[in-house]
Amino acid sequence: EVQLVESGGGLVKPGGSLRLSCAASGLTFSNAWMTWVRQAPGKGLEWVGRIKSKADGGATDYAAPVKGRFTISRDDSKNTLYLQMKSLKIEDTALYYCTTGWIFVAWGQGTTVTVSS
Amino acid sequence: QSVVTQPPSASGTPGRRVAISCSGGSSNIGANPVNWYRQLPGAAPKLLIHSNDQRPSGVPDRFSGSKSGTSASLAISGLQSEDEADYYCAAWDDSLKGVVFGGGTKLTVL
Repeated sequence: EVQLVESGGGLVKPGGSLRLSCAASGLTFSNAWMTWVRQAPGKGLEWVGRIKSKADGGATDYAAPVKGRFTISRDDSKNTLYLQMKSLKIEDTALYYCTTGWIFVAWGQGTTVTVSS
Repeated sequence: QSVVTQPPSASGTPGRRVAISCSGGSSNIGANPVNWYRQLPGAAPKLLIHSNDQRPSGVPDRFSGSKSGTSASLAISGLQSEDEADYYCAAWDDSLKGVVFGGGTKLTVL
């Protein structure tokens, strides 16, 4: 069974930085395309970005609201996905999920990021 | 405002059938497969339907998906109280180069 465990969330001031992690097990992580999805309080799901497997080039894609501020990376030796967030804005406040593959089969429980002064 | 539109709410009575629509455009639903997710209160989303009409293992056949042109639909038959949840459609958007989610539909079982 695939398990995803996000961590690293917390309270940060506007303009600050935070790095989220997603530890994966139960899958061949190096072969997996991984995605971050977020959900602002009381709102719907929003795609943040994804990273392809190294075998498929390892490229990243980002949603327009986070492009240039967020960076997705992976450490296949640790089966871990990362989301480096910089220049955080109040509107980045959300529950951040990591999920797998093209069709988002497995999801973690999420980690909460609160951007507030 | 999402580029993919869902009704904000839907409702039905136990045992009946309900359909949730998802309307997009030529760069998303019109060009790529649609997936559906269910999110129970306080829980992470769960894949319900992928590739327009495919049910993952373990999803009851009460749930079915369809797509026509730039619109898709999720149908739930034999409605049960535990089907009360938020439902989201999603598809890759070739223009935005990212996944677009519908705004979500809150299903109430009366």
